[in-house]
Amino acid sequence: GAGVSQSPSNKVTEKGKDVELRCDPISGHTALYWYRQSLGQGLEFLIYFQGNSAPDKSGLPSDRFSAERTGGSVSTLTIQRTQQEDSAVYLCASSLGANSPLHFGNGTRLTVT
Amino acid sequence: GESVGLHLPTLSVQEGDNSIINCAYSNSASDYFIWYKQESGKGPQFIIDIRSNMDKRQGQRVTVLLNKTVKHLSLQIAATQPGDSAVYFCAETGATGRRALTFGSGTRLQVQP
Repeated sequence: GAGVSQSPSNKVTEKGKDVELRCDPISGHTALYWYRQSLGQGLEFLIYFQGNSAPDKSGLPSDRFSAERTGGSVSTLTIQRTQQEDSAVYLCASSLGANSPLHFGNGTRLTVT
Repeated sequence: GESVGLHLPTLSVQEGDNSIINCAYSNSASDYFIWYKQESGKGPQFIIDIRSNMDKRQGQRVTVLLNKTVKHLSLQIAATQPGDSAVYFCAETGATGRRALTFGSGTRLQVQP
């Protein structure tokens, strides 16, 4: 079956520009997560959506980062006024809910020049 | 603060040998643990999970052991194959009420033919 789909797979942008990253979760998964992974590093939690509950935004590094999830399905992560330190792979995952395995997409590699 | 970490950044084994990857966690309230495998250019792939009411769980060629007394988690891979070469992450949930996973920094497993 279809897994988690992320687009674009690669994005190169100039410093100061805004970017939008998209995630299509597995159908029926109520939980959706965004993580960031810098080169050779572990995964840094960004934001978590669970059903209709208020999202857990505690991992967002600054107010330049925001995310929304429309209709309980597709999610968009927006980074405004990108900085070079924003360069990383942004991973999206979905799951059936708490204490269920996360299924990851292959990520969007963001490069800010 | 809370953390999930790994003892060895790189583990090199011979094909056919058994591999053991270790992980320490600091939050005694963590109640769900997962091991992920990540190959280059891909998102993390679920391997096996274990809940805090268990000490051991077995899958196909993999076993996860949980020692809550010393807050230690290990992944054992039997008869390691070249296809097992990847970075392995442990992750926990339940820390400070956040249901999203907290990941360790990863161990690279290199399988020598």
